[in-house]
Amino acid sequence: QSALTQPASVSGSPGQSITISCTGTSSDVGGYNYVSWYQQHPGKAPKLMIYEVSNRPSGVSNRFSGSKSGNTASLTISGLQAEDEADYYCSSYTSSSTPTVFGTGTKVTVL
Amino acid sequence: EVQLVESGGGLVQPGRSLRLSCAASGFTFDDYAMHWVRQAPGKGLEWVSGISWNSGSIGYADSVKGRFTISRDNAKNSLYLQMNSLRAEDTALYYCAKDMATVTTSYYFDYWGQGTLVTVSS
Repeated sequence: QSALTQPASVSGSPGQSITISCTGTSSDVGGYNYVSWYQQHPGKAPKLMIYEVSNRPSGVSNRFSGSKSGNTASLTISGLQAEDEADYYCSSYTSSSTPTVFGTGTKVTVL
Repeated sequence: EVQLVESGGGLVQPGRSLRLSCAASGFTFDDYAMHWVRQAPGKGLEWVSGISWNSGSIGYADSVKGRFTISRDNAKNSLYLQMNSLRAEDTALYYCAKDMATVTTSYYFDYWGQGTLVTVSS
């Protein structure tokens, strides 16, 4: 099972909105509404930001939103803040022998 | 407060074995599936293995199948990963992660430990 494809880096200025894409296949992202997103600051453990494509866990800012179209899921960060600078990973359930796969990861830089 | 504390990592030679442990607290351990996720130095996340609340369902990544064994002891609120026939490519920070859903397995990881580093080298 190959990793889901994400852009290596995305950047934006404070206050702007950015979108991170996560591209898979019909066997993972496209076939199930079981996509999640994680934020990871340097030296820290990942944090769940979005689950089931677009749901936010309690305590996660509503500046973070998720969506999906076909085989591509997206994470949008609105009103970009300095604290949003981190690595972001998508994840999806898959129909392969490995039940879940992560994306390649995207480094978000706040200019 | 949910806490997951991993231990057991270290430097090990290729072909040898290592057993990781994860001590859980702050939640009803036997209500949730648990997972191991690893991250090689400077690389992305990789799901390694997961176990259901009652150990009735277990899964492994293809990369570790046949070499790693996950287990849990609900009486001790502990999760384990027995790693045999270790390879250089198993070098990574190993995280213990709690599944978000009760009873079932959602593969959403809502709490993570800080990880334990495994280095496989001669």
